[in-house]
Parts: sequence; C-alpha cells; structure tokens
Amino acid sequence: RKEVEQDPGPFNVPEGATVAFNCTYSNSASQSFFWYRQDCRKEPKLLMSVYSSGNEDGRFTAQLNRASQYISLLIRDSKLSDSATYLCVVKVYTGNQFYFGTGTSLTVIP
Amino acid sequence: GAGVSQSPSNKVTEKGKDVELRCDPISGHTALYWYRQSLGQGLEFLIYFQGNSAPDKSGLPSDRFSAERTGGSVSTLTIQRTQQEDSAVYLCASSSGQGGTTEAFFGQGTRLTVV
Repeated sequence: RKEVEQDPGPFNVPEGATVAFNCTYSNSASQSFFWYRQDCRKEPKLLMSVYSSGNEDGRFTAQLNRASQYISLLIRDSKLSDSATYLCVVKVYTGNQFYFGTGTSLTVIP
Repeated sequence: GAGVSQSPSNKVTEKGKDVELRCDPISGHTALYWYRQSLGQGLEFLIYFQGNSAPDKSGLPSDRFSAERTGGSVSTLTIQRTQQEDSAVYLCASSSGQGGTTEAFFGQGTRLTVV
C-alpha cells in the first residue's frame, strides 16, 4: 500500500469554481503534512503546511483529519493561474522522511 | 543564492556513459534528498542524507546508482552505465531537519536524457 494516495484527476473546473482535493495516508506516526504545487516542467514548491486545527491562506483552506488519516485542500474562486498539479506530502518524524502523493492535476478553464 | 542549486540543468548523454549530477543545498540544511520524476509521473524517492548519519539508500533502483555528500553539504548523484530508462528529471531537496514541521525545498532539477 502506498504511503500517500491521491486521486490523480484530472480536475477541469471553470474559473470561479470551488474545488476540493483529498489525500489519505497510511502511517499513523505521520507528524507533518503539506500541500505542494508543481507547475509543468518545474520543481514542486510549498503551497501550505497543514495544521491540526486546519488553516487558511487566502482562497486556500487545508484540513487534517488524524482519526481518518486524510488531508484536504479546498480552493475557492479558482483562477486560471491555479492550474497545476497539487501534491499531498506527509512527513514521518522518525527518520525525517517525506512521502509524496502522485499529485492531482487541476486545470481551470476560462 | 538562497535556494537549492542543481547542476547541470540539462544533460544529454549516450547510453553506457556515466553521469554526475550535483546538488548544493540551502546553507545550514542538514537533510538532503534525491528524487527522480519521469514525464507525467510522481516523485520517486532515491536517497536521503541526514547530518552525519548513514544515508537511507532504500530508493536507489540499481547498483548503477550511488550518491555521496561531502562535508555535510554538496551532494553528487552518480549514475554509471546509463540506460534509456534512466531518462528523467532528477530533483534534489533539502530541509533543516529540525523537528517534524520543516518543509523540503527543491532545486530546479536536472533533466537527464539518455540517447
């Protein structure tokens, strides 16, 4: 079983739409959680960390459910510039290893 | 610079040749990771260095792959006798390694093409 699983999509949504991505992780010892964004032919970049109480950064909201071992990312009022692949990332404190999901592809359509 | 630096940015090599890829992590970051990403695929973990500890080599796909990290800073990933299936983007990341909340910062990658 993969450490981190995501729906690969693709998600094609119109501008202004709200879209949500979910991700599940298998290691209950996972300590830290992140969403990364990867543009085509570019390196992954941190979008936001995910905190236990949930956190918001502008149009982006991240939630963590430790009991169910899933993480979500909500994007409101989608912009064309949001088109990218979104990677769910889990860090296990023991060994400091990062586990990446395969990514969810988002295309925002005019 | 302040970020993770990788060189070369692009490398075309003939099948059977050896290649060396370089990663210069963010200054002070004790953790360094190598991943590779084939076109349209997710990140594949290769190897991880943490301070002076023995590296985690569990992701290296074959004994043709090796990596070292000198002086706890710069790392070199070496691929011997390259094969066409080695063609991919090789990404290096570093992290401060201090506690569980610190994120990984990626370099721009080396795009390797084996012809």
